[in-house]
Amino acid sequence: NAGVMQNPRHLVRRRGQEARLRCSPMKGHSHVYWYRQLPEEGLKFMVYLQKENIIDESGMPKERFSAEFPKEGPSILRIQQVVRGDSAAYFCASSPPPRPSEQYFGPGTRLTVT
Amino acid sequence: DQQVKQNSPSLSVQEGRISILNCDYTNSMFDYFLWYKKYPAEGPTFLISISSIKDKNEDGRFTVFLNKSAKHLSLHIVPSQPGDSAVYFCAASPTTSGTYKYIFGTGTRLKVLA
Repeated sequence: NAGVMQNPRHLVRRRGQEARLRCSPMKGHSHVYWYRQLPEEGLKFMVYLQKENIIDESGMPKERFSAEFPKEGPSILRIQQVVRGDSAAYFCASSPPPRPSEQYFGPGTRLTVT
Repeated sequence: DQQVKQNSPSLSVQEGRISILNCDYTNSMFDYFLWYKKYPAEGPTFLISISSIKDKNEDGRFTVFLNKSAKHLSLHIVPSQPGDSAVYFCAASPTTSGTYKYIFGTGTRLKVLA
């Protein structure tokens, strides 16, 4: 059973460009979470999604950030007009029903904004 | 507002001895607690969890203790092995509030000396 997959593993963007991060959950998992880890800090919750629904986006910045988990395909975290402060490691996790509290993490995407 | 705190950024332990990692939380809504281990450039790996209805959970060399009145949990690793050297994050989740997001501490870097 393949684990949570994220791509790309490394992404370099110039200020003002858009970044798209993809996450394929484990097979059979219908809950996806995105977390961000800034240098020397812990992981910070961003958003919790189920298929076609955003359940909790309390950790998402109000502007430039959006997330989706369509009926088919991976979950996408989109950052528009990136700034240097967006440089971080972005981790996706997935969990199975009916135990959404067990989250399995992907390897992360390291975003560098130059 | 750090709701989950790991006050020791680092810990060194001799191989074969016990490692004790500590974590404090402030939010009474948290009812599910976990420990994750993380190596550089990888995603967090689940170690062990505990529900708020318990005060201890054991899995092999890993034991988690929960003291609800003190809002404190700890992870014991015994015996410690060099391969345990990693950053350890505690996380808490308010599952009864309808969201399963994790709130992470800032991590403790464990070094097990051979």
